[in-house]
Amino acid sequence: GQQVMQIPQYQHVQEGEDFTTYCNSSTTLSNIQWYKQRPGGHPVFLIQLVKSGEVKKQKRLTFQFGEAKKNSSLHITATQTTDVGTYFCAGSRSGTYKYIFGTGTRLKVLA
Amino acid sequence: EAQVTQNPRYLITVTGKKLTVTCSQNMNHEYMSWYRQDPGLGLRQIYYSMNVEVTDKGDVPEGYKVSRKEKRNFPLILESPSPNQTSLYFCASRQYNAETQYFGPGTRLLVL
Repeated sequence: GQQVMQIPQYQHVQEGEDFTTYCNSSTTLSNIQWYKQRPGGHPVFLIQLVKSGEVKKQKRLTFQFGEAKKNSSLHITATQTTDVGTYFCAGSRSGTYKYIFGTGTRLKVLA
Repeated sequence: EAQVTQNPRYLITVTGKKLTVTCSQNMNHEYMSWYRQDPGLGLRQIYYSMNVEVTDKGDVPEGYKVSRKEKRNFPLILESPSPNQTSLYFCASRQYNAETQYFGPGTRLLVL
């Protein structure tokens, strides 16, 4: 079945360092979404990417969707303690409304 | 306030005792979905619904039932819970053609 792998599983960074998490799907995706979940909280939608090669930015966050629409990345520039949490990608295939979530990357920011 | 609510938030039960977790949204969303979250496995979709009376299986539907009799409600039913259904459950909803999926606060279930 369709799988979405996400790496790394954990990442500890010093405040001010950059952070990147990668998402790879075994099949071509119709779109990919990114979520952030704070410890003890629920997933919060960040963004959706639809087009091949698409790049979107939200302040210090940069999201990319691969040319083949099978991989994606989230890059945070100059991390802050407020960035702490687990980041998930979620892919959907064309013609379906099922979401396959990646296993998540837990980010810890050391002040 | 636009929100997705779930009840109960915490539940301890025993094997075989039927239970229902309710989910309600006040945003008039067509699409609703149930996920379970387990350590190391991320979120896995159980069931989803595109609209009233339209439901479909996600990736892990075994042992669960859902119904969508009203647009705002999407209850998750465990007819005969087992310990491997111990998990954190999230309900979510979104407008049919919109991007943003809103998650409820979660229900932590322990099956003994």
